[in-house]
Amino acid sequence: SQTIHQWPATLVQPVGSPLSLECTVEGTSNPNLYWYRQAAGRGLQLLFYSVGIGQISSEVPQNLSASRPQDWQFILSSKKLLLSDSGFYLCAWSPTTDFYGYTFGSGTRLTVV
Amino acid sequence: GNSVTQMEGPVTLSEEAFLTINCTYTATGYPSLFWYVQYPGEGLQLLLKATKADDKGSNKGFEATYRKETTSFHLEKGSVQVSDSAVYFCALINQAGTALIFGKGTTLSVSS
Repeated sequence: SQTIHQWPATLVQPVGSPLSLECTVEGTSNPNLYWYRQAAGRGLQLLFYSVGIGQISSEVPQNLSASRPQDWQFILSSKKLLLSDSGFYLCAWSPTTDFYGYTFGSGTRLTVV
Repeated sequence: GNSVTQMEGPVTLSEEAFLTINCTYTATGYPSLFWYVQYPGEGLQLLLKATKADDKGSNKGFEATYRKETTSFHLEKGSVQVSDSAVYFCALINQAGTALIFGKGTTLSVSS
């Protein structure tokens, strides 16, 4: 069966520090991968998605970047965090052949102080 | 592009009350529609989905019918439980067919 792992679960980082959040998927090949951010009062915002290794699409301009170095690995990064980067970050995957919705990871609560 | 609007919360109910959370959509064509649920401190879980007009999705006592006439996908449950307390998100596929677009979420609080 397929599983998705996301870590860390919580993170407190100072303004200006770098960020690296990792998401991995097991039990499937060539998944579509997604990063969403959930901020208070703003619902779920799509940040990036990837349909394959090295293929990243950005949905909104921001202080973040994403990479997919392996088929099963999706990384969200920032060189310098801003206070506005605080939120709940969710990784998700879906099969490439049919879109039946997502399976989400358990999320990372990021607080920038 | 495609978009979804769901009712503002919070919704506060007593146990065994009837639940309706409204969701309306704007879309090109007839994309699949979804309801996701997020329990406190967790990621989102797929609750139910409907892939074409007039389909009814159902799971754990929740139901939603894909209504193209009213462009709606309202979530209902006949008798809520305290364990149903969570945030509920309505979603649909974006116009490019590459990702889900979510509503802002509706918080449900059920008391005993």
